[in-house]
Order: sequence, then structure tokens, then C-alpha cells
Amino acid sequence: EDQVTQSPEALRLQEGESSSLNCSYTVSGLRGLFWYRQDPGKGPEFLFTLYSAGEEKEKERLKATLTKKESFLHITAPKPEDSATYLCAVLPYGNNRLAFGKGNQVVVIP
Amino acid sequence: KAGVTQTPRYLIKTRGQQVTLSCSPISGHRSVSWYQQTPGQGLQFLFEYFSETQRNKGNFPGRFSGRQFSNSRSEMNVSTLELGDSALYLCASSFEQALPGTEAFFGQGTRLTVV
Repeated sequence: EDQVTQSPEALRLQEGESSSLNCSYTVSGLRGLFWYRQDPGKGPEFLFTLYSAGEEKEKERLKATLTKKESFLHITAPKPEDSATYLCAVLPYGNNRLAFGKGNQVVVIP
Repeated sequence: KAGVTQTPRYLIKTRGQQVTLSCSPISGHRSVSWYQQTPGQGLQFLFEYFSETQRNKGNFPGRFSGRQFSNSRSEMNVSTLELGDSALYLCASSFEQALPGTEAFFGQGTRLTVV
């Protein structure tokens, strides 16, 4: 069964204090790994897709990287508006169902 | 370009009732997936429809069902509601989820409360 584990579950950061979120996964064959951001009461907002080990993608203060067993979401010099839950999901070969982790809840304190 | 639209945004139902939720995908998108999100379980896959056919189904009881229309709009139905069905129900659309570069985009969800 496909499994996605995210750590830490919750993280409090001072504004400007860079950190990384981890997503480790077990999947028979990885078609793609996705990062989403979710604000309270809203649907997940797409951030990145990664397809192969070694791939990196950046958007503003966020950078996602991928290895064969895990992905990292690096948050550089975060601002309070980066406070959200970050969700990691994998799409395996053989079916079209995204398997999600339980998320990293990030709070950035001014 | 309009995003994924889910209606209604909020629902309160009584145990034993049934409910129908609606999802209008992004124009041109043919794949629609449904997820249930709860604090304890996170996001769990319900089912996926593509061109009016159910392609994948998650591990939910038969009380959860869905369908997709020719215009790609989708509905999901939950019959005989239980308290544990209280959750945020999310719909995601993509052009064709099997293809690289065709990511899934989510709607705002329908918050269902069963009392």
C-alpha cells in the first residue's frame, strides 16, 4: 500500500527563520510527487510537481526537492503569510489516486 | 479561467438522511476526483471519474457513490448519513491525471456536518 509520512507534524518559526519540511514515501512506482498548501477552511492549493530524483522546483520562498525515498520543502526566510498546512501527495503508476500525507502545519510568528 | 466550483459550501444534515454534493471542474478538464478530509485521517481518496466512467475507487462503504455527466460535472451522494461522515469533501479536477504536467486542482470543498 502506498504510504506518505510527513514530519514534523507542526512547526513554529520566527519570521526569517528558514526550515525544511520532510515527506517520506513508499510507493511501488512513483509517477509524480505533489506539494499543496492548504489554508484553514479552504481547498488545497497546488504548489509543485516533481517527477524524478534530483529534480528541484522553486516558487518565491519555497523550494521542493526529490530523492528516491523522500521530498523536502524548504522555506527560506518565511513570512507570516507562509503560515499554512503543507500537504505532500504521491501519484503511483497503476492507478490515478493521490495518496496524501497528513500535512505539516507551519506557523510563522512575526 | 474559472477554478473548480463546489456547491454547496456548507451543509448540515441529520443522521439517516442522504446528501448530494456537486463539483464543476475547470473547463476542459475531464478527470474529477473526490476526497474526504477529516482532522484524524487527513485526505482520503473516495473515487475518480473520467469521461463519465468511474476509474478508481477508494476504501469507502457503498453508501458513498458518485457520477459524472457528459459536461464533466460530477456529483457525489452519501446515503444513510452517519455522524462519522462529518468532514470536508473536496473535489479535484485535472485534464488527465495520468499524464505528466496535468496536475489536480482542488475546489474549496463542501463542509458537511451530520447531527
